[in-house]
Amino acid sequence: RKEVEQDPGPFNVPEGATVAFNCTYSNSASQSFFWYRQDCRKEPKLLMSVYSSGNEDGRFTAQLNRASQYISLLIRDSKLSDSATYLCVVPNQGGKLIFGQGTELSVKP
Amino acid sequence: DTEVTQTPKHLVMGMTNKKSLKCEQHMGHRAMYWYKQKAKKPPELMFVYSYEKLSINESVPSRFSPECPNSSLLNLHLHALQPEDSALYLCASSQLDGGETYEQYFGPGTRLTVT
Repeated sequence: RKEVEQDPGPFNVPEGATVAFNCTYSNSASQSFFWYRQDCRKEPKLLMSVYSSGNEDGRFTAQLNRASQYISLLIRDSKLSDSATYLCVVPNQGGKLIFGQGTELSVKP
Repeated sequence: DTEVTQTPKHLVMGMTNKKSLKCEQHMGHRAMYWYKQKAKKPPELMFVYSYEKLSINESVPSRFSPECPNSSLLNLHLHALQPEDSALYLCASSQLDGGETYEQYFGPGTRLTVT
């Protein structure tokens, strides 16, 4: 199993849609999890940190399932500006952040 | 909005040149990182500094030489690079507290082209 695995997409959704991304990880000892968004030719920006079962921030909800070792990111009421690549990031046993390959989202009018 | 700054934004250099990338953070973080990112790929870790000491070198070729002059500054010295080293170079910083792993904050990056 890869340390962090994501569906690369692309996900093409209309404005207003709800979209969910899943991410699986191999380090069962991880205590913290992160979602970053990255726009084309820009740096990754922290979207959400997850330290317990989940986190919610406006239209964005992250949920953690420790038993199955996956985390999900749900985006409700998608906006055009949500178009980006979403990176799932999980620390490995050495404490280094391991990045998934990223999931590309394209929100269309 | 980022509190991690990087200079220059763009850099074009020949294979015989020597140049340096600079990074500065004002968040009081004691861990700083260099990453390399190629198009359509996630960032790859190169170096980690913890409390101004090099703690991780991910087997990076010696033509890349990091330096941490103080807790706010991080440099990456470049010498005799190859065209395949062309990429976006990202600096990041994070809190450091025992065994806890904290989120990292990235600078805007330096887009490097080696000709």
